[in-house]
Formats: sequence, C-alpha cells, structure tokens
Amino acid sequence: SQQGEEDPQALSIQEGENATMNCSYKTSINNLQWYRQNSGRGLVHLILIRSNEREKHSGRLRVTLDTSKKSSSLLITASRAADTASYFCATDEWGGNNRLAFGKGNQVVVIP
Amino acid sequence: GAVVSQHPSRVICKSGTSVKIECRSLDFQATTMFWYRQFPKQSLMLMATSNEGSKATYEQGVEKDKFLINHASLTLSTLTVTSAHPEDSSFYICSARDLGGLLEQYFGPGTRLTVT
Repeated sequence: SQQGEEDPQALSIQEGENATMNCSYKTSINNLQWYRQNSGRGLVHLILIRSNEREKHSGRLRVTLDTSKKSSSLLITASRAADTASYFCATDEWGGNNRLAFGKGNQVVVIP
Repeated sequence: GAVVSQHPSRVICKSGTSVKIECRSLDFQATTMFWYRQFPKQSLMLMATSNEGSKATYEQGVEKDKFLINHASLTLSTLTVTSAHPEDSSFYICSARDLGGLLEQYFGPGTRLTVT
C-alpha cells in the first residue's frame, strides 16, 4: 500500500537555500525512511528514523518524526545543484514484515 | 555500504516473449528481497517479497503467473516477466535487506523494460 504522502510534490529553489518536504502516513510504524532518486536511477537511502526517535541529523539532512501526527519532514540545508532529485519517504509498517510503503515523492530542483 | 546490482539495466523485447531480471546482493546476504515497479514520474509500487528457499509473497493485484520470482540463494533473486506485453513496460527495481545489518533496505539501480 502507498500510505506515505509528501507535500509539496514539486519544489524549485535557489542553490544555498533550504528545502523542506513533508510526509504523512496512516498506520503504526516501526520506522520511517527517506530515499533519493535521480532520474532513471535506483534509490539511495538517506536516513532512517525509528518510531521512538523525534529528530535525526545526517550531514546537511535533518529529519523529524511526529508519531502523534503521523508525519515526518526532511530538511536539506544549504542546497546544491547536485541535490536535484526526487525524494521519497517510506514507512516500515508495524507487522508489515519489513515491507516498505512509499509515498508519492517530491521533485526538488535546485537552480545553480 | 551495501551494494545491490541488477542485470540487465535496460532491455527491449518483443510482445509475447519472456524477460528475466536478476537482482544480486554483492557484499551481504539477504534472506528477503523485494521487487518494485515504477511508472514514469510515479512512486514505487511493491510487487512481491522474495524469500530465500520459499515461495514469494505477492501483493494484491499482482499476477503470480505473470511475474515469476525465484530466490535461489542468499544473494540472488530473479524476476521473470512472462509473455510480456507493452503495458508491462516499466522500471523494475529490487531491494534487499542485510541479514546481519540494521533496518535499511538497499536498492538496485533498476531495470528499464520496454516491450514493443
């Protein structure tokens, strides 16, 4: 099932600005993961946040998770042209046998 | 980091033929691999969960006889699209979870299938 939903779906920013994407889901989860996909390529794992965590950082990435609101956000700080890609959130549902449910994705374009 | 490969990366076949796609975990063992399908500018749709040594578990709406999955070893799963039709044209992506690792799934680079 595709339960993750990102908002907004398309984002165009200038290099150096921050990019924020949101994701909402509907069921109980073990963890939530964010992935990046360049056009026509496979997915690159960015960050995983467990259900008992509220915030996590990795380099220029910051992810938050609010289980009470069933939502997550991905912040990319000081964006670069190379960050241009589609970003997906995916939820590892409780009792889902590690199956991931992907959201619709955010297309981010960073203008140099 | 963990690496998953797919072969071929791109294939064009005629309608009615069958195509096999391989997914390999190169530096780790995976009892479970997943097969996804992605249409242009859309998200990934899980097709099936491939379990080493047992039958695959298919998602609702996915035809088992059309998409044959074989997970023969801890490092290899194959997806065979049988009697392919133009509507089967898509981007197929596999992923694998490291048996001895954490919770992340590692994705292959994908296979672009075009059925003419």
